[in-house]
Amino acid sequence: DADVTQTPRNRITKTGKRIMLECSQTKGHDRMYWYRQDPGLGLQLIYYSFDVKDINKGEISDGYSVSRQAQAKFSLSLESAIPNQTALYFCATSDPRTGLAANEQFFGPGTRLTVL
Amino acid sequence: GESVGLHLPTLSVQEGDNSIINCAYSNSASDYFIWYKQESGKGPQFIIDIRSNMDKRQGQRVTVLLNKTVKHLSLQIAATQPGDSAVYFCAENRGSNFNKFYFGSGTKLNVKP
Repeated sequence: DADVTQTPRNRITKTGKRIMLECSQTKGHDRMYWYRQDPGLGLQLIYYSFDVKDINKGEISDGYSVSRQAQAKFSLSLESAIPNQTALYFCATSDPRTGLAANEQFFGPGTRLTVL
Repeated sequence: GESVGLHLPTLSVQEGDNSIINCAYSNSASDYFIWYKQESGKGPQFIIDIRSNMDKRQGQRVTVLLNKTVKHLSLQIAATQPGDSAVYFCAENRGSNFNKFYFGSGTKLNVKP
Protein backbone atom coordinates (compact mmCIF):
# COMPACT_ATOMS: atom_id res chain seq x y z
CA ASP A 1 0.00 0.00 0.00
CA ALA A 2 1.72 3.15 -1.22
CA ASP A 3 0.02 5.16 1.52
CA VAL A 4 2.29 3.50 4.08
CA THR A 5 5.98 3.61 3.24
CA GLN A 6 8.96 2.13 5.00
CA THR A 7 12.63 2.93 4.67
CA PRO A 8 14.94 1.23 4.14
CA ARG A 9 13.43 -1.78 2.37
CA ASN A 10 16.49 -3.88 3.03
CA ARG A 11 19.32 -3.47 5.51
CA ILE A 12 22.29 -5.55 6.50
CA THR A 13 24.10 -4.53 9.64
CA LYS A 14 26.49 -5.89 12.23
CA THR A 15 25.95 -6.92 15.82
CA GLY A 16 26.05 -3.96 18.20
CA LYS A 17 25.13 -1.32 15.63
CA ARG A 18 22.25 1.08 16.16
CA ILE A 19 19.59 0.86 13.49
CA MET A 20 16.54 2.99 12.78
CA LEU A 21 13.66 1.90 10.62
CA GLU A 22 11.30 4.59 9.47
CA CYS A 23 7.62 4.54 8.65
CA SER A 24 5.58 7.29 7.05
CA GLN A 25 1.90 7.37 6.18
CA THR A 26 -0.30 9.69 4.19
CA LYS A 27 -3.58 8.16 5.35
CA GLY A 28 -4.08 10.60 8.20
CA HIS A 29 -4.47 7.75 10.66
CA ASP A 30 -3.84 8.26 14.35
CA ARG A 31 -2.88 4.68 15.15
CA MET A 32 0.45 3.20 14.11
CA TYR A 33 2.11 -0.11 14.85
CA TRP A 34 5.40 -1.94 14.45
CA TYR A 35 5.48 -5.72 13.94
CA ARG A 36 8.17 -8.25 13.22
CA GLN A 37 7.66 -11.38 11.16
CA ASP A 38 9.86 -14.44 11.42
CA PRO A 39 9.72 -17.40 9.02
CA GLY A 40 6.96 -19.80 10.01
CA LEU A 41 5.59 -17.45 12.63
CA GLY A 42 2.84 -14.88 12.65
CA LEU A 43 3.33 -11.18 13.09
CA GLN A 44 4.36 -10.13 16.58
CA LEU A 45 3.55 -6.68 17.90
CA ILE A 46 6.58 -4.68 19.05
CA TYR A 47 5.13 -1.24 19.85
CA TYR A 48 2.04 0.75 19.03
CA SER A 49 0.96 4.36 19.26
CA PHE A 50 -2.52 5.83 19.20
CA ASP A 51 -1.38 9.42 18.82
CA VAL A 52 1.75 11.56 18.93
CA LYS A 53 1.97 11.51 22.73
CA ASP A 54 1.08 7.87 23.14
CA ILE A 55 3.61 4.99 23.11
CA ASN A 56 2.77 1.46 24.22
CA LYS A 57 4.74 -1.76 24.43
CA GLY A 58 3.60 -4.80 22.52
CA GLU A 59 4.48 -8.46 23.01
CA ILE A 60 8.18 -8.23 22.23
CA SER A 61 9.42 -4.71 22.99
CA ASP A 62 12.70 -5.71 24.64
CA GLY A 63 15.66 -4.50 22.58
CA TYR A 64 13.54 -1.99 20.67
CA SER A 65 12.44 1.60 21.11
CA VAL A 66 10.14 3.85 19.10
CA SER A 67 9.52 7.49 18.43
CA ARG A 68 6.32 9.06 17.19
CA GLN A 69 7.62 12.33 15.80
CA ALA A 70 4.37 13.35 14.16
CA GLN A 71 1.05 11.83 13.28
CA ALA A 72 2.50 10.64 9.99
CA LYS A 73 5.80 9.21 11.26
CA PHE A 74 6.65 6.32 13.54
CA SER A 75 10.25 5.15 13.84
CA LEU A 76 11.59 1.91 15.27
CA SER A 77 15.10 1.74 16.70
CA LEU A 78 17.32 -1.14 17.61
CA GLU A 79 19.81 0.39 20.03
CA SER A 80 22.30 -2.45 19.75
CA ALA A 81 21.31 -4.93 17.09
CA ILE A 82 21.74 -8.67 17.69
CA PRO A 83 21.44 -11.57 15.22
CA ASN A 84 18.10 -12.81 16.56
CA GLN A 85 16.59 -9.49 15.52
CA THR A 86 17.03 -10.58 11.93
CA ALA A 87 13.47 -10.51 10.60
CA LEU A 88 10.98 -8.79 8.37
CA TYR A 89 9.58 -5.65 10.01
CA PHE A 90 6.20 -4.17 9.16
CA CYS A 91 4.68 -0.87 10.01
CA ALA A 92 0.89 -0.55 10.01
CA THR A 93 -1.73 2.12 10.55
CA SER A 94 -5.39 2.07 11.44
CA ASP A 95 -8.22 4.41 12.14
CA PRO A 96 -11.42 3.14 13.73
CA ARG A 97 -13.36 5.77 11.81
CA THR A 98 -12.30 4.56 8.36
CA GLY A 99 -11.33 1.44 6.48
CA LEU A 100 -13.29 -1.56 5.34
CA ALA A 101 -13.58 -2.56 8.94
CA ALA A 102 -13.30 -0.37 11.98
CA ASN A 103 -10.07 -2.06 12.99
CA GLU A 104 -8.48 -2.83 9.67
CA GLN A 105 -4.75 -2.28 9.70
CA PHE A 106 -2.97 -1.02 6.58
CA PHE A 107 0.51 -2.42 6.26
CA GLY A 108 3.63 -1.03 4.66
CA PRO A 109 5.75 -3.13 2.30
CA GLY A 110 8.13 -4.26 5.02
CA THR A 111 11.82 -3.86 5.83
CA ARG A 112 14.05 -6.89 5.66
CA LEU A 113 16.71 -6.55 8.34
CA THR A 114 19.71 -8.85 8.62
CA VAL A 115 22.01 -8.63 11.63
CA LEU A 116 25.33 -10.39 11.14
CA GLY B 1 -0.75 -21.70 26.51
CA GLU B 2 -2.89 -19.45 24.40
CA SER B 3 -2.32 -19.46 20.70
CA VAL B 4 -3.66 -18.49 17.37
CA GLY B 5 -2.67 -21.17 14.92
CA LEU B 6 -3.49 -22.81 11.67
CA HIS B 7 -4.14 -26.48 10.97
CA LEU B 8 -2.36 -26.64 7.62
CA PRO B 9 0.78 -24.72 6.74
CA THR B 10 0.35 -25.30 2.97
CA LEU B 11 -2.74 -25.83 0.86
CA SER B 12 -2.73 -26.62 -2.85
CA VAL B 13 -5.91 -26.31 -4.88
CA GLN B 14 -6.86 -26.44 -8.52
CA GLU B 15 -7.90 -23.22 -10.19
CA GLY B 16 -11.65 -22.91 -10.06
CA ASP B 17 -12.05 -25.07 -6.97
CA ASN B 18 -13.10 -23.73 -3.60
CA SER B 19 -10.47 -23.27 -0.87
CA ILE B 20 -10.93 -23.58 2.86
CA ILE B 21 -8.29 -22.26 5.23
CA ASN B 22 -8.67 -22.98 8.92
CA CYS B 23 -7.61 -21.23 12.08
CA ALA B 24 -7.86 -22.27 15.73
CA TYR B 25 -7.77 -19.95 18.69
CA SER B 26 -7.78 -20.67 22.38
CA ASN B 27 -8.78 -17.39 24.04
CA SER B 28 -12.52 -17.66 24.58
CA ALA B 29 -12.66 -13.94 25.39
CA SER B 30 -11.56 -12.95 21.89
CA ASP B 31 -14.33 -10.91 20.34
CA TYR B 32 -13.11 -9.99 16.90
CA PHE B 33 -11.16 -11.65 14.12
CA ILE B 34 -9.62 -10.58 10.84
CA TRP B 35 -8.30 -12.54 7.89
CA TYR B 36 -5.32 -11.07 6.03
CA LYS B 37 -3.72 -12.02 2.74
CA GLN B 38 0.00 -11.57 2.24
CA GLU B 39 1.46 -11.81 -1.24
CA SER B 40 5.13 -12.41 -1.75
CA GLY B 41 7.18 -9.30 -1.02
CA LYS B 42 4.23 -7.32 0.29
CA GLY B 43 2.61 -6.47 3.57
CA PRO B 44 -0.61 -8.16 4.70
CA GLN B 45 -3.87 -6.92 3.25
CA PHE B 46 -7.25 -7.03 4.93
CA ILE B 47 -9.71 -9.53 3.46
CA ILE B 48 -12.64 -9.83 5.83
CA ASP B 49 -13.48 -9.54 9.50
CA ILE B 50 -16.04 -11.02 11.85
CA ARG B 51 -17.22 -10.20 15.33
CA SER B 52 -17.92 -12.84 17.91
CA ASN B 53 -21.66 -12.14 17.87
CA MET B 54 -21.77 -13.52 14.32
CA ASP B 55 -21.10 -16.99 12.98
CA LYS B 56 -20.84 -16.15 9.30
CA ARG B 57 -19.91 -13.21 7.15
CA GLN B 58 -19.66 -13.01 3.40
CA GLY B 59 -17.62 -10.81 1.14
CA GLN B 60 -16.77 -10.91 -2.51
CA ARG B 61 -15.88 -14.58 -3.19
CA VAL B 62 -14.90 -15.03 0.45
CA THR B 63 -16.80 -16.25 3.47
CA VAL B 64 -15.63 -16.42 7.06
CA LEU B 65 -17.21 -18.88 9.46
CA LEU B 66 -16.79 -18.65 13.20
CA ASN B 67 -17.49 -21.52 15.56
CA LYS B 68 -17.12 -20.24 19.10
CA THR B 69 -17.94 -23.58 20.63
CA VAL B 70 -14.75 -25.14 19.33
CA LYS B 71 -12.86 -21.86 18.92
CA HIS B 72 -12.38 -22.23 15.23
CA LEU B 73 -12.73 -20.00 12.24
CA SER B 74 -12.32 -20.65 8.58
CA LEU B 75 -11.89 -18.67 5.41
CA GLN B 76 -13.60 -20.00 2.33
CA ILE B 77 -12.57 -18.74 -1.09
CA ALA B 78 -14.92 -19.55 -3.93
CA ALA B 79 -13.65 -20.33 -7.44
CA THR B 80 -10.02 -19.92 -6.45
CA GLN B 81 -7.91 -18.01 -8.94
CA PRO B 82 -4.14 -17.84 -9.49
CA GLY B 83 -4.16 -14.37 -7.98
CA ASP B 84 -5.35 -15.90 -4.72
CA SER B 85 -1.96 -17.58 -4.24
CA ALA B 86 -0.57 -16.06 -1.06
CA VAL B 87 -0.15 -16.65 2.65
CA TYR B 88 -3.32 -16.18 4.66
CA PHE B 89 -3.31 -15.15 8.33
CA CYS B 90 -6.03 -15.01 10.90
CA ALA B 91 -5.68 -12.34 13.55
CA GLU B 92 -7.44 -12.37 16.88
CA ASN B 93 -8.22 -9.28 18.92
CA ARG B 94 -7.28 -9.62 22.55
CA GLY B 95 -7.13 -5.96 23.45
CA SER B 96 -9.86 -3.94 25.06
CA ASN B 97 -9.40 -1.21 22.46
CA PHE B 98 -8.47 -3.28 19.43
CA ASN B 99 -4.88 -2.51 20.19
CA LYS B 100 -3.57 -6.05 20.49
CA PHE B 101 -4.02 -8.40 17.60
CA TYR B 102 -2.41 -11.82 17.72
CA PHE B 103 -1.59 -13.35 14.38
CA GLY B 104 -1.43 -16.99 13.42
CA SER B 105 1.59 -18.34 11.59
CA GLY B 106 -0.21 -18.43 8.25
CA THR B 107 -1.26 -20.91 5.59
CA LYS B 108 0.32 -20.77 2.18
CA LEU B 109 -2.25 -21.23 -0.58
CA ASN B 110 -0.95 -22.52 -3.92
CA VAL B 111 -3.36 -22.36 -6.83
CA LYS B 112 -2.53 -24.74 -9.64
CA PRO B 113 -3.59 -23.73 -13.15
